[in-house]
Parts: sequence; C-alpha cells; structure tokens
Amino acid sequence: EAQVTQNPRYLITVTGKKLTVTCSQNMNHEYMSWYRQDPGLGLRQIYYSMNVEVTDKGDVPEGYKVSRKEKRNFPLILESPSPNQTSLYFCASTLGTGYFDEQFFGPGTRLTVL
Amino acid sequence: GQQLNQSPQSMFIQEGEDVSMNCTSSSIFNTWLWYKQDPGEGPVLLIALYKAGELTSNGRLTAQFGITRKDSFLNISASIPSDVGIYFCAGHPRINTGTASKLTFGTGTRLQVTL
Repeated sequence: EAQVTQNPRYLITVTGKKLTVTCSQNMNHEYMSWYRQDPGLGLRQIYYSMNVEVTDKGDVPEGYKVSRKEKRNFPLILESPSPNQTSLYFCASTLGTGYFDEQFFGPGTRLTVL
Repeated sequence: GQQLNQSPQSMFIQEGEDVSMNCTSSSIFNTWLWYKQDPGEGPVLLIALYKAGELTSNGRLTAQFGITRKDSFLNISASIPSDVGIYFCAGHPRINTGTASKLTFGTGTRLQVTL
C-alpha cells in the first residue's frame, strides 16, 4: 500500500532534549516536506527536499533540521526543543516535477514540549 | 511566509444543509487545491483547479478557481456526518518546475455536522 509513515505518532518531551521524528515513503517520490499545524494558522512548511542531499528552508525553519540521505526517508530533527515547538507535525511527499498537486501526507506526529 | 485566509474559521451545520467556504490571497496563484483533514489523520486532496474561472466537481463537492486568481471557493451540498473535519485550501504559483513542494496552505475551516 502506497503510504507515508511517521514515527512516533505521539511524543511528550522536555525542553532541550534532542529528538528526531522519522518520515518514510514507499512511493519513490522525489519531493518531501515537513509541515507544522497550529490552531488558526493552518499548515506551515518547515523544510522541504527536492531530492537526495537537496534540502531547503520553508516558511518556519528556525529550531529544526532535516536530512535526506536516502530517497525514502526525511527525518525532522529538533536539536534543542522548546515549548513553542509544541505542535502537530506532518510529513508529505510528492512524485516530482509537475506533480505538485498530488501531495501525500503522513498521519501526523503530535509533539508536546514541556 | 505568506498564508491564505480562509473563512469561515468554523461552521456548525445540520445534516442535509449546503456549505460554502472560501479562501483569499494577496497574491496570484495559478493552481488552487482543496484538502480535507479527518480527525487524527493527515490532509487528503479533494479537488485540484488549474485555470482561472474553472469549476470542478467531485461528488457533492464543487470548487471554483476565482477569476482574479486570488481566491477560490468550495461548496459541499447536502452535508452528511462524515463531512466533519478541517478543510484547507492551498495555492501554488506554478511558475517553475522543481518547486513542487512550495504549496501555501490556508488557515483552515473546521466543519461540524449535527444530526
């Protein structure tokens, strides 16, 4: 089954404790993105990747890092989480150039930073 | 970064009623998309619009690409309980290839349907 998976689905952590949220897709998609969803603000892009080893900042990249060592994986790294990073995070993937409409989203990771 | 304004922010309607929501932008988009997010899930694409003035239907859903290219509208007819969720619009400039991930999302409209 074609899908985007994220782990963990729920995470409660404390300020300053490094964490990684994994994202994996099995559709051989080139483009992958991370979004955060906050009430009243909708979905805002954190980082995106156009291919292996090619990443770029989205609209709200501060406090986040990403890597794209393999095509299928696009982990989101919070080196020193803070309470304002408490949010619902979505990973998404898109086939490639010209296929920007078919963006497939993962199920989400709800992160709470105390 | 830019965001798209959606209205209303939330709606409480009765089963069987029609629903209208809209999305506006301060800049032009050449593609408009509508997504639905079910509770506890990621957004799923409902309708894609590629041409100004275009009207596209998907079952009980109808979406329109505004003629100014700065807005889009979504209508749901004869709502049912499974229509509950958050509806997001999204815009893409579609200027260059290779920018597939640069979607700009709206703030969302939360729809509640009562029996």
